[in-house]
Parts: sequence; C-alpha cells; structure tokens
Amino acid sequence: ILNVEQSPQSLHVQEGDSTNFTCSFPSSNFYALHWYRWETAKSPEALFVMTLNGDEKKKGRISATLNTKEGYSYLYIKGSQPEDSATYLCASSGGSQGNLIFGKGTKLSVKP
Amino acid sequence: NAGVTQTPKFQVLKTGQSMTLQCAQDMNHEYMSWYRQDPGMGLRLIHYSVGAGITDQGEVPNGYNVSRSTTEDFPLRLLSAAPSQTSVYFCASSYSGGVTDTQYFGPGTRLTVL
Repeated sequence: ILNVEQSPQSLHVQEGDSTNFTCSFPSSNFYALHWYRWETAKSPEALFVMTLNGDEKKKGRISATLNTKEGYSYLYIKGSQPEDSATYLCASSGGSQGNLIFGKGTKLSVKP
Repeated sequence: NAGVTQTPKFQVLKTGQSMTLQCAQDMNHEYMSWYRQDPGMGLRLIHYSVGAGITDQGEVPNGYNVSRSTTEDFPLRLLSAAPSQTSVYFCASSYSGGVTDTQYFGPGTRLTVL
C-alpha cells in the first residue's frame, strides 16, 4: 500500500493571503497524482490530475506543481477567499485499476 | 444527469444488523468504488468494480460485500454491523478506472452502529 502524506494538517489564513501545502508520495511506480477539493457536507470534487514530472496545472487562483523524481506536489492558492475554505485532498493512483490512495488532507480555513 | 447518487444519507444500526448502502451512477462509467472516511484518516478503499460482473477487494474489505449486476448500480452490503463500521461512506465512479480518470463522488452516507 502506498503512503501518501499531506502537510500541514490544517491551515488558518486571512482573506487575501496566498498559501500552499504539500503532498508527498512514493516516487517509485508512480502513475498519476490527483488533487480534490472537499467542502464540508459535500462530496470531494476533482481539481487536477497530473502525470508528468515538472507538470503545472492552473484553475483560476489555484495551481499545482508535480515533482515525480522526489515524490511531491504543491498546491498553491493565490489571494485566498473565504469560499476557498475546504479540505484539500491529494491521491496517488496505485497502478491497480486506477485505485486511489488518499492522503489525510489539509484543512484550509480562510477568515474574512 | 444526476451523477453519482447514494441512499440513504443517514442510517443508525444496532450491532449485528445488516443493511445495504445503495449507489447508482448515470454516466455510463465502467469503474465504481466504495470508500470509507474516518476522523484523522484518509479515504480508504473498501471494494471496487471495473465493470458489470467484476468486483475486487480494496484496502479494508472485511465485513463488507459488493456485487455489480448492472453498469449503473454498485450496492455495498454490511452483513453484521459492528461499531467499528461507524463511518461516512462514499461511492465514486470513473469512466474506465484508468490512472488519470477523474473519480466522481456521491454525497456520502453517514452510518452509525450502536
């Protein structure tokens, strides 16, 4: 079983701050890295899927980078807004039928 | 297009009772899966299916059964509920289960076993 780690566990920022958090995963047998956004009382929603070393994806104020050689991905949020408050999950495709191995998530709270 | 639906949203069981959590998707996805989410833990895979008639175990399959008689439905059965099965259960589906396929999640079922 792959071990996917996320840090920090939680983060409190002020509106307008930029922030970032980390997902680390085993670099051997890497297939793909997924980022999800999970709001309280809702279901997780996909943000990005990344496969290539050096890949960078962007959606609005949120972006992510991938380093497959050292086994980490960063998620960046520029100018955080209260509506960005959520738990951000990363997951590595374990290679078997596309099953995902999830980290425990980073819970972001943005204060107005 | 409803996406992934789950019923019930909430359920309370007594130890030893059995029940079935329902999951359905209308996106014609081949791959479906069940996860459980516990405090302080990541989502953990219980069972998955890559198509009708095909199921396999995930990381935490004990105490659960699944079947996949149609492409649309993937029910999860608890045979004899235990307090350790108190959790939030999510069903998810993706087009083919490929490593880059996006998984679409249902709204979850919150289960309490007394």
